[in-house]
Amino acid sequence: KNEVEQSPQNLTAQEGEFITINCSYSVGISALHWLQQHPGGGIVSLFMLSSGKKKHGRLIATINIQEKHSSLHITASHPRDSAVYICAVPSYNTDKLIFGTGTRLQVFP
Amino acid sequence: GAGVSQSPRYKVAKRGQDVALRCDPISGHVSLFWYQQALGQGPEFLTYFQNEAQLDKSGLPSDRFFAERPEGSVSTLKIQRTQQEDSAVYLCASSLGTGSHQPQHFGDGTRLSIL
Repeated sequence: KNEVEQSPQNLTAQEGEFITINCSYSVGISALHWLQQHPGGGIVSLFMLSSGKKKHGRLIATINIQEKHSSLHITASHPRDSAVYICAVPSYNTDKLIFGTGTRLQVFP
Repeated sequence: GAGVSQSPRYKVAKRGQDVALRCDPISGHVSLFWYQQALGQGPEFLTYFQNEAQLDKSGLPSDRFFAERPEGSVSTLKIQRTQQEDSAVYLCASSLGTGSHQPQHFGDGTRLSIL
């Protein structure tokens, strides 16, 4: 069983729709990362959170430590949100990250 | 300020050739990570430096892979006698300090294709 699992793998949406991407992990963690990867490879860190909820613009990330589950929400989605969204957690007692396989989001106008 | 810079952005090599990939982390960042990302997959850890010390190389897939960071700044990932399965995007990330609570800043990656 992968230590970090994301769902769905692929997601298509119409512009304006509310998007939810889910991440479940099996290891105890100190923080969870949500990352965005555009075609071409570059990765941007969106959030790092260890409890509760964080909001940045139209993006909201939540985490439930007890259930080992996090969600990334995008409100009022836009075609420029099209990217791969990756969830990552630190490996136990180290700084290195374990990544999910990513969720490929396409938002159509 | 400047982010993490990786070069080259694209590298094509014939099977059996040696390649060297460079990472310039954000100035002053102590931690440096190399990750390998196969097509359609999430990145996977290769190796980790704290300043010039390579503290973890457990993710290097074989002894053909070698990484160094001699002065605690720029890092080079070298792959000897490349194989087709080495084709991937190689990502470098740096963070200011140590600890799993530190955000990692990623470069754009080097896309390596082995023919």
